[in-house]
Parts: sequence; structure tokens; C-alpha cells
Amino acid sequence: DIVMTQSPESLTVALGERATIHCRSSQTVLWSSNRKNYLAWYQQRPGQSPKLLLYWASTRESGVPDRFSGSGSGTDFSLTISSLQAEDVAIYYCQQYYSSPWTFGQGTKVEI
Amino acid sequence: EFQLVESGGGSVQPGRSLRLSCAASGFKFDDYGMHWVRQVSGRGLEWVSSISWNSNSIEYADSVKGRFTISRDNAKNSLYLQMNSLRGDDTALYFCTKMTDYGDYFDSWGQGTLVTVSS
Repeated sequence: DIVMTQSPESLTVALGERATIHCRSSQTVLWSSNRKNYLAWYQQRPGQSPKLLLYWASTRESGVPDRFSGSGSGTDFSLTISSLQAEDVAIYYCQQYYSSPWTFGQGTKVEI
Repeated sequence: EFQLVESGGGSVQPGRSLRLSCAASGFKFDDYGMHWVRQVSGRGLEWVSSISWNSNSIEYADSVKGRFTISRDNAKNSLYLQMNSLRGDDTALYFCTKMTDYGDYFDSWGQGTLVTVSS
């Protein structure tokens, strides 16, 4: 199984400041034939279901604000919120869809 | 807009069974593979099971293999999870999720149904 490890576990950031979350996979999630990273990011606000933010490591889902961006390749990835807003308080998860079983990171809690 | 509504959760004793349902709307259900994902204590997402659009391909997490059965009824736009021999560590919020056209990531989630296994 591919193990996904996120850091930090929690993060406190001032309004308007940058937040960066890291995700590392125990093996590559880069598919060599198409050069795509099989990595998604989700946001889970308090009391809500997870919501897809990014897929292919850096492609924003429709409707996701452009302050959310993703980067990285292979085994090391980052999610950056360029200017934290109050509504961004949430737990963020990475997920690999390179191979079954599909696995998630343990989550990073972002607070203000 | 995609909508997924889970039902069937509840409190059961260890060793008993429960059947979860997920009603889908807002998209062509029989075009998409579907998954169940569970969450323990508001953290820790765990993929449970998946089923292809035509039920020909089914997978399970090792933790539920042999105890849980996923199925779907495309005529009813519904997904199911039959859970047998329930254990305490099956206690979780169970989400129905829809995979996309491009990969096994999840672009739509239900609100979840809570399963509590306790004596």
C-alpha cells in the first residue's frame, strides 16, 4: 500500500498570510506513460463532507479559488493557500489514486 | 448538481449486520464508478470499497474484505454496502463518493451516515 504522510499536523496562520501543507507518498505516484501525478487534495470544513480542491497534483477543480495551488511531483507535494481567508479554516487531506488501495494522508488542520 | 444521500447507519452490536444505501441524483449514475470512504472520529479518511459502472470490477480494503459487500442498482440510481460481522473498529462516518471520468479521485461526496458498533 502507498502510505501518505502529511506535515504539519496543524498550522496556525494569520488572515491574509500564506499557508503551505506538505504531503509525501511512500512510493511514486507519477505515471511515467502520461507524466501525470495521481494526487488529489481535499478540504473538509467543520461539520461538512470533504470537498475536492485539486487533482493531478495541481489542477484546480471548477469553482475553487485561485489562492489554492498545488505543486510537486513523484513523491513530494505541497498545497499552498496564498492568502488565508476565514472560510479556509478546515482540515486538508491529500490522496493518491495511483494504485489501489486508494490512500489518504492523515490530514492537516489549518486554523487562524 | 451532483447529489449523494446516504442512509442506513445506526448503532449495532459487534457481530451484527447493517446495510447502507446511497441515493444518487444530478448525474448519469450508470456512467460512473462509485466508492465508499469512511472517517473515524472526524479525522482519518479510509477508502473502503469501489465498484465500476457495470459492477464488473469490485475492490475492497483488506480491513473489510470478506465481511462487506458493495453493490449497485443502476435502475434505481443507488449504491449499497452490506456490512456483516461488524467490529468496533468499523465505527465511523461512511461516505458515498463518486469517482470521475479520469481517475479514482472523488469529485462528489454525500453527507455521510454514522455507524456505531458497540456492545
